[in-house]
Amino acid sequence: EVQLVESGGVLVQPGGSLRLSCAASGFTFSNYGMHWVRQAPGKGLEFVSAISNNGRSTYYANSVKGRVTISRDNSKNTLFLQMGSLRVEDMAVYFCARMGIGGDGYDYWGQGTLVTVSS
Amino acid sequence: IQLTQSPSSLSASVGDRVTITCRASQGISSYLAWYQQKPGKAPKLLIYAASTLQSGVPSRFSGSGSGTDFTLTISSLQPEDSATYYCQQLNNYPLTFGGGTKVEIK
Repeated sequence: EVQLVESGGVLVQPGGSLRLSCAASGFTFSNYGMHWVRQAPGKGLEFVSAISNNGRSTYYANSVKGRVTISRDNSKNTLFLQMGSLRVEDMAVYFCARMGIGGDGYDYWGQGTLVTVSS
Repeated sequence: IQLTQSPSSLSASVGDRVTITCRASQGISSYLAWYQQKPGKAPKLLIYAASTLQSGVPSRFSGSGSGTDFTLTISSLQPEDSATYYCQQLNNYPLTFGGGTKVEIK
C-alpha cells in the first residue's frame, strides 16, 4: 500500500525557518517525481515545488523561489522541503504528492502537515 | 499559465448532470488533470490527460477538451460527490491549479 506521511509542521514566527519531511512507503520511491502542494486555510491548492526521481531537476513556484529548497534522500525514501524567511502568507497545510509515472497528475497524496506562521 | 474555473460554486440535485469548465490562459494540449477534495482531506485524482479516468473512479465522472477549454462532467450526481473540484495544468512549470468549484447537493 502506498503511503506518504508528512511531518515537521509547527508554529513559527515570521522570518523563521523549518524543514518538512515526507516519508514514503509501499512503492519504489526512486522511480517517481515528488511534489509539495499547499493549501492556505479556506483557500485553493497551490503548487510549491517539485523534484525529479533522481533529484537532478527541481522546480519552484514564484511565490517561494529563493526561500525554499526541495530535496530527497532515495536511500531513506524521504522527501524534504526546507523553508526559510517564512511569511504569514506561507501559512498552510503542506501536502506531499507523488507524480504519476506519465507525469499526468498526482496519484497519491499525504494527509498534510500544518505550518502556522504567526508572531 | 492561469486556469479559470467556472462556476465557483453550484448546487444541484441527486441525479442531475453537472458540468464544470476550466479555461487555460494558453494552450496546454491535453495536459490537464481534475481532482476532488472533501473537507479536511487530501485531494483525489479523478481524471488525467484531460479525459482518462483514474483507476477506481466511478464512470459517472468524465473529462473532455484540449488546448484551452476543458470540462469535467458528472453524469448523475450522487450525495457522495459533494466536494470541491480543481483542475490542474501539467504542461509546464510552475504547475497551476484552477480556483476550484464547490459542488453542493440540494
